[in-house]
Amino acid sequence: DAMVIQNPRYQVTQFGKPVTLSCSQTLNHNVMYWYQQKSSQAPKLLFHYYDKDFNNEADTPDNFQSRRPNTSFCFLDIRSPGLGDAAMYLCATSREGLGNQPQHFGDGTRLSIL
Amino acid sequence: GENVGLHLPTLSVQEGDNSIINCAYSNSASDYFIWYKQESGKGPQFIIDIRSNMDKRQGQRVTVLLNKTVKHLSLQIAATQPGDSAVYFCAGAFSGGYNKLIFGAGTRLAVHP
Repeated sequence: DAMVIQNPRYQVTQFGKPVTLSCSQTLNHNVMYWYQQKSSQAPKLLFHYYDKDFNNEADTPDNFQSRRPNTSFCFLDIRSPGLGDAAMYLCATSREGLGNQPQHFGDGTRLSIL
Repeated sequence: GENVGLHLPTLSVQEGDNSIINCAYSNSASDYFIWYKQESGKGPQFIIDIRSNMDKRQGQRVTVLLNKTVKHLSLQIAATQPGDSAVYFCAGAFSGGYNKLIFGAGTRLAVHP
């Protein structure tokens, strides 16, 4: 029944080696978000897509990029992962234009950097 | 509140007791609030939401109270169960924007048998 699906659940990469995390949704929501969450902290928004429009948060490092090829899929690319990028990465979706709607989260990808 | 802190405050309760988790927010423009539950190794799960034109909303075993005067939000869980053990986040949003959520720091709820 998962509606926001993140793959893989666990990802290990080497310092400096590019990595891509994926998210898919079956909700047909027009907004998709990527968050970074570190241990014992709240999720931190990196960027979001409103339809095809990309919106970056001001403090998101250039090392983080995103792609949204269609409504259902969104990717997070980390070009040169550093040790500080080890975290849980959460994808979320929401439906706009119909009033306040909650964001729906996937179960995340835990990224480890060797 | 914004994302802050390395150590989550913890609320410990006995199974069967009622739990009250509190949250303060600072952005007066926030007019939509959500409570999320996050279990270990999982993403945040929607529990209940409330709009600023309400001061109370009830769900199954949960009630959210909103006091706009003091910018305070609370989540009440009735008859707390071991399965309620998790980290709880409040989040606020401004409906005039794109539904960007501002998360509180989170509270860990520990339910003891």
